[in-house]
Amino acid sequence: SYVLTQPPSVSVAPGKTARITCGGNNIGSKSVHWYQQKPGQAPVLVVYDDSARPSGTPERFSGSNSGNTATLTINRVEAGDEADYHCQVWERSSDHWVFGGGTKLPVL
Amino acid sequence: EVQLVESGGGLVQPGGSLRLSCAASGFTFSGYEMNWVRQAPGKGLEWVAYISTSGSISYHADSVKGRFTISRDNAKNSLSLQLSSLRAEDTAVYFCARGESSSGWFGYWGQGTLVSVSS
Repeated sequence: SYVLTQPPSVSVAPGKTARITCGGNNIGSKSVHWYQQKPGQAPVLVVYDDSARPSGTPERFSGSNSGNTATLTINRVEAGDEADYHCQVWERSSDHWVFGGGTKLPVL
Repeated sequence: EVQLVESGGGLVQPGGSLRLSCAASGFTFSGYEMNWVRQAPGKGLEWVAYISTSGSISYHADSVKGRFTISRDNAKNSLSLQLSSLRAEDTAVYFCARGESSSGWFGYWGQGTLVSVSS
C-alpha cells in the first residue's frame, strides 16, 4: 500500500516561513491535498490539487509537488497557524485514500 | 451552509457493534460522494470508507474490510457506517467528509463522533 511520510514536528518563529514536507514514491504524479487541524476540531482543507487554495485560505499558504516530495509552505507564520497539518492523496490503483502521519506546527 | 453532523458514537465492548450516522444539510446530498475518516487518540487521520453518489459503489480500508460497512440514504440525506467485530484499535473519533472531485479531496467535514472500544 502507498505510504506518505511527514516529519512529526516542524518549529517556526512568528513571521518566518514554515515548510512541511510529505514524501511518497513518485508523489509528483499524484494530486496532493493538505488539511489543517487545530486541537479538538475537524480538519480543514487548506490546499488541494498540489497548489490550489480554497476560498478562505490565506495567500500565505502555498503548495508544490515534484518527484518524491510535496511541500506545504506557510509564509509570514502567525500564531493562529499553530496546528497539525496532514497531507493526503487518492491512490488510484487501489481506490484507497491515504493520509500522511501529520505534522505538528508549534509557533514559538 | 453545508453541515455534516455525526452521531451514534459511544462506549462498546470488544466484539460489539455500533452504527454511526451523518446527517447532511445545506447541499444536494445525492450529488456528492461521501467518506468516513477516523482519528485514534493522539494519532493521524486514517481513511475508513468511501461511497459513490448512488451508493452502488463502496470501498473500505483494509483495516476494516469485512467488519465495517458504509451506506447512504439519499432520500433522508444520511450517511451511515455499520461497525462490527470491534477491536480496541478501532477506538477513534470518526468523521464524515464530503468528496469534492475526482482527485479525491475532502471539502467539508463533520465535527466527529467518538467510538471507544473497551471492556
